[in-house]
Amino acid sequence: GESVGLHLPTLSVQEGDNSIINCAYSNSASDYFIWYKQESGKGPQFIIDIRSNMDKRQGQRVTVLLNKTVKHLSLQIAATQPGDSAVYFCAENSNTGNQFYFGTGTSLTVIP
Amino acid sequence: SAVISQKPSRDICQRGTSLTIQCQVDSQVTMMFWYRQQPGQSLTLIATANQGSEATYESGFVIDKFPISRPNLTFSTLTVSNLSPEDSSIYLCSVTARGTNEKLFFGSGTQLSVL
Repeated sequence: GESVGLHLPTLSVQEGDNSIINCAYSNSASDYFIWYKQESGKGPQFIIDIRSNMDKRQGQRVTVLLNKTVKHLSLQIAATQPGDSAVYFCAENSNTGNQFYFGTGTSLTVIP
Repeated sequence: SAVISQKPSRDICQRGTSLTIQCQVDSQVTMMFWYRQQPGQSLTLIATANQGSEATYESGFVIDKFPISRPNLTFSTLTVSNLSPEDSSIYLCSVTARGTNEKLFFGSGTQLSVL
């Protein structure tokens, strides 16, 4: 499958600060990306998605940025809260298939 | 979003035995997938479950070890055969549902421990 990787395996932030989680992908044919949050003992939870015809998309306290030139996307979490502590994954999907491939994950710890 | 029920939620199995995991979705879905998540790692796609035909396996996964069935649009099973301790992982069912613009949703997973 495609290679999707993350720059930072762990991230610690102070409560109230903004968090930025990065992801690099290698398949230039990928045209759809999803960020997931996974808490201990649970399945991945959909956070936000973005298609390749966009470079930015905002949700509630979260923003995803996509840079197709360097095949990079990021997840920004505003005013990080203790409940945001989890592992975050990016996943990519190409227009040549229906499969999603996942990055290595970043463990976010929010310090009260 | 689709509601995905997976069972069992966890199991402890002996080496050499097999475990069958069931995945039931509350609505018709377009695609069903099975992932493996080894301890402390990311998700690796095992296969795409195809309705009424053989599953499509990713590189490194074979039907003899991971037989999959999908008899209808809302149900699939994954069997992990001839278990070894290396098979200890979380196994996750995931789906893309009609009307959700291809978003991928996950069940809560099955935690398998092999002794």
